Amino acid sequence: GDSVTQMEGPVTLSEEACLTINCTYTATGYPSLFWYVQYPGEGLQLLLKATKADDKGSNKGFEATYRKETTSFHLEKGSVQVSDSAVYFCALSGEAGKSTFGDGTTLTVKP
Amino acid sequence: NAGVTQTPKFQVLKTGQSMTLQCAQDMNHKYMSWYRQDPGMGLRLIHYSVGAGITDQGEVPNGYNVSRSTTEDFPLRLLSAAPSQTSVYFCATYRGGYTFGSGTRLTVV
Repeated sequence: GDSVTQMEGPVTLSEEACLTINCTYTATGYPSLFWYVQYPGEGLQLLLKATKADDKGSNKGFEATYRKETTSFHLEKGSVQVSDSAVYFCALSGEAGKSTFGDGTTLTVKP
Repeated sequence: NAGVTQTPKFQVLKTGQSMTLQCAQDMNHKYMSWYRQDPGMGLRLIHYSVGAGITDQGEVPNGYNVSRSTTEDFPLRLLSAAPSQTSVYFCATYRGGYTFGSGTRLTVV
């Protein structure tokens, strides 16, 4: 079946540092790929997505590129802020919108 | 535009009690899902629906029932609560990506 493997956390960075959270997937067919973000006490929010190979999703300074050859969708940001502290989930879509999620990576950014 | 509304936000149940978690959406999305979130385990799909009158089981359906009589509402019923059902429950709609509710934190004692 489908699966998503995320870089284990927690990740702690200083403000303005570069961020990479690794995500690899296993799936049949050509799923859409997503990154969601969860702030404390809230539900998940869609951060960015890519629907086909070589697509780049971007939002709020975050980027991820759909790499079919390496089955990866790594999340990157060039300069993180304290407000980026949250849990980040990689996910892929399946039939009827059902998604498979990674276990989440907790990011803490210190001033 | 409220999106996905879940009630209640918090609930404490005794073992064996039953309850219904409510979920309502105002986006007219066909697909709706219930997930539970447990520490270190990501999100696990309980039940989902592809439209009014159509539901199916996800990864962890035991102990839960759902129904979808309208596009807007997708309640989740716990039949006889067990401590293993202590979790945070999220309802979501899907159209090109999920829109999640804010969650229900359930404790079963």
